[in-house]
Amino acid sequence: SAVISQKPSRDICQRGTSLTIQCQVDSQVTMMFWYRQQPGQSLTLIATANQGSEATYESGFVIDKFPISRPNLTFSTLTVSNMSPEDSSIYLCSVQSQSGNQPQHFGDGTRLSIL
Amino acid sequence: DAKTTQPPSMDCAEGRAANLPCNHSTISGNEYVYWYRQIHSQGPQYIIHGLKNNETNEMASLIITEDRKSSTLILPHATLRDTAVYYCIVRVAVGDAGGTSYGKLTFGQGTILTVHP
Repeated sequence: SAVISQKPSRDICQRGTSLTIQCQVDSQVTMMFWYRQQPGQSLTLIATANQGSEATYESGFVIDKFPISRPNLTFSTLTVSNMSPEDSSIYLCSVQSQSGNQPQHFGDGTRLSIL
Repeated sequence: DAKTTQPPSMDCAEGRAANLPCNHSTISGNEYVYWYRQIHSQGPQYIIHGLKNNETNEMASLIITEDRKSSTLILPHATLRDTAVYYCIVRVAVGDAGGTSYGKLTFGQGTILTVHP
């Protein structure tokens, strides 16, 4: 299965600032996703990162708050903009390969705390 | 995607089989049943998936009822390291000449499985 690396693994940020999270995969994948997991909650899909075009956002998430880039088939970034304490969550990158019947795999996430 | 219903928590003794149920009564013909688990401080880990036949791999077995309205994940010999939140998810997969298109992986609240000595 694909090996997914996220950076940073954790961070503590001041409110009003922005942070960019990187997701690197060791093989080319068709689809990349970003999820959020708020404290004590399940995972919620933020958006699908599309290579060469704008990300597809889920209801309740907007590009101005969570801009996403995907310059190639192995890399994506998620920026959390103008952060507030409510953005304190784990942000997870996930990938899906089109080859065969591969399942969707997840990185270990970025733990973000906003003061 | 169809919704799933799981018990919020379950206990299991170490070395015994853990049987985790899942109801998906509105599942449609092109929806697969997926199981993931999330151990504390880690991302979700894929366990197994199936369409209508029972499936087994090195981690677990998946038993799907004939009407596909429910399934059971079986961990044959649970260990303390199997303590985790287990998620049952149904997901569309549609194949054509261009490849396979997958629906979204939507997580519910899952079952907290606690394996005790």
